[in-house]
Amino acid sequence: ETGVTQSPTHLIKTRGQQVTLRCSSQSGHNTVSWYQQALGQGPQFIFQYYREEENGRGNFPPRFSGLQFPNYSSELNVNALELDDSALYLCASSFGAPTATNEKLFFGSGTQLSVL
Amino acid sequence: AQKVTQAQTEISVVEKEDVTLDCVYETRDTTYYLFWYKQPPSGELVFLIRRNSFDEQNEISGRYSWNFQKSTSSFNFTITASQVVDSAVYFCALSESYNTDKLIFGTGTRLQVFP
Repeated sequence: ETGVTQSPTHLIKTRGQQVTLRCSSQSGHNTVSWYQQALGQGPQFIFQYYREEENGRGNFPPRFSGLQFPNYSSELNVNALELDDSALYLCASSFGAPTATNEKLFFGSGTQLSVL
Repeated sequence: AQKVTQAQTEISVVEKEDVTLDCVYETRDTTYYLFWYKQPPSGELVFLIRRNSFDEQNEISGRYSWNFQKSTSSFNFTITASQVVDSAVYFCALSESYNTDKLIFGTGTRLQVFP
C-alpha cells in the first residue's frame, strides 16, 4: 500500500477530446511527478510539481499540463488527445523537496487511458 | 544523454531457480542514483532498492541481491530461489543527483516464474 490513489482506473476517450486524471497523495508528500507508460515500455517522466509550482518537465508538448493542490492532490490534463496518448499514466509522490534526494517514490496504480 | 538499457525483454524460469536481471546505464554525471522497481500486474511500481554512484558495495536483502559495477556501468539484480510471486515486470532506473524523483527507466524485463 503506497498511499497514492489515482482515479479513474480506466478511461476511454476519442481523438481531439480533453481528459483530466487525478491523484491523491499521502499527507506531507510535497512533490508529485507524473509518468506516461506506453505498452511494453518503461515509464517516461512528464513533469513534476513541488508546492503547487511546476518543477521540471520531460519531453512532452504543452497540451500536457498539471495542477497541484494544497491538500496533496494533483491533476494531469491532456488537451487535444492523440492516438499515441494511449498509455498508463502513473502518479508518484515523495516527502520533501525534489532536491532532497528522497529515498523512494510512492507510485499509484495508474490510470489506463485509451484514445480511439 | 542519460540512458538505461535492459536487454532482456522476458525471462521464464521454474520456481526455485536463481535468475539475474541485467541493467546497463549511460550518464555523464559523476553523481547519480540507480534504482530497481517491480511492477506487478496491478500496475503500481514498487521500490526495491536505491544505490548512489559512490557506493559500489553489493547488497543482499533476503532473496534479492544487487551487483553494482561502475567499471562496466552495470547494476544487475539477482533473485535467489525464485518464487511464483516474483512474477512481474522489473525496471531499472537512473536519476541525476539533484532530483531523484525524475527517473529515467529502462524498458523493463518481464519475469515469469512457473511452479
